[in-house]
Amino acid sequence: GESVGLHLPTLSVQEGDNSIINCAYSNSASDYFIWYKQESGKGPQFIIDIRSNMDKRQGQRVTVLLNKTVKHLSLQIAATQPGDSAVYFCAENMGGSNYKLTFGKGTLLTVNP
Amino acid sequence: DVKVTQSSRYLVKRTGEKVFLECVQDMDHENMFWYRQDPGLGLRLIYFSYDVKMKEKGDIPEGYSVSREKKERFSLILESASTNQTSMYLCASSLLQGDFNEQFFGPGTRLTVL
Repeated sequence: GESVGLHLPTLSVQEGDNSIINCAYSNSASDYFIWYKQESGKGPQFIIDIRSNMDKRQGQRVTVLLNKTVKHLSLQIAATQPGDSAVYFCAENMGGSNYKLTFGKGTLLTVNP
Repeated sequence: DVKVTQSSRYLVKRTGEKVFLECVQDMDHENMFWYRQDPGLGLRLIYFSYDVKMKEKGDIPEGYSVSREKKERFSLILESASTNQTSMYLCASSLLQGDFNEQFFGPGTRLTVL
């Protein structure tokens, strides 16, 4: 089965609220994690990444948290906007010369005005 | 900015036809990938290439082949298209920078096989 998965397939939030999208992974050897955003009709777009030697990383309105103890990754979006509506994927990579990413199935985030 | 382009956004083919999907990246990336994306199944890796003329099978290579004659171009070939190959096809590329393997994606080609 999938080594990277999501707890919730859909998430609906009000504009201005904070959103939290979760991801579980099973490969403890994974070294690098990425969150992608995919808008309808478009290819996935990089949002933020984190290495396994970190537990938190912040970007513009987004924060990724990594809990290696329970193999859990989350993406927090502050002050969610209608333009944030999309499918969000997490992906893991074992690092080094391993080029491949393993993707979760995605969570659909809907932002209500 | 990295740009990954795919030859077609939408494609309709008939069963048994030979289909070529083209992907071009303009950032001199060594690695290129082909995925298919289906509802409920996420992104699944078909093939990838880490250098010109080099290729490796991904998780679902059956029914597909690839060609990498130039560094910037990676082609996916369906030798004899079947209806179960109706899907969204995504191309990606990456530059191996130490341990970082961020992949940049094209807009996708939605293929329908009738």
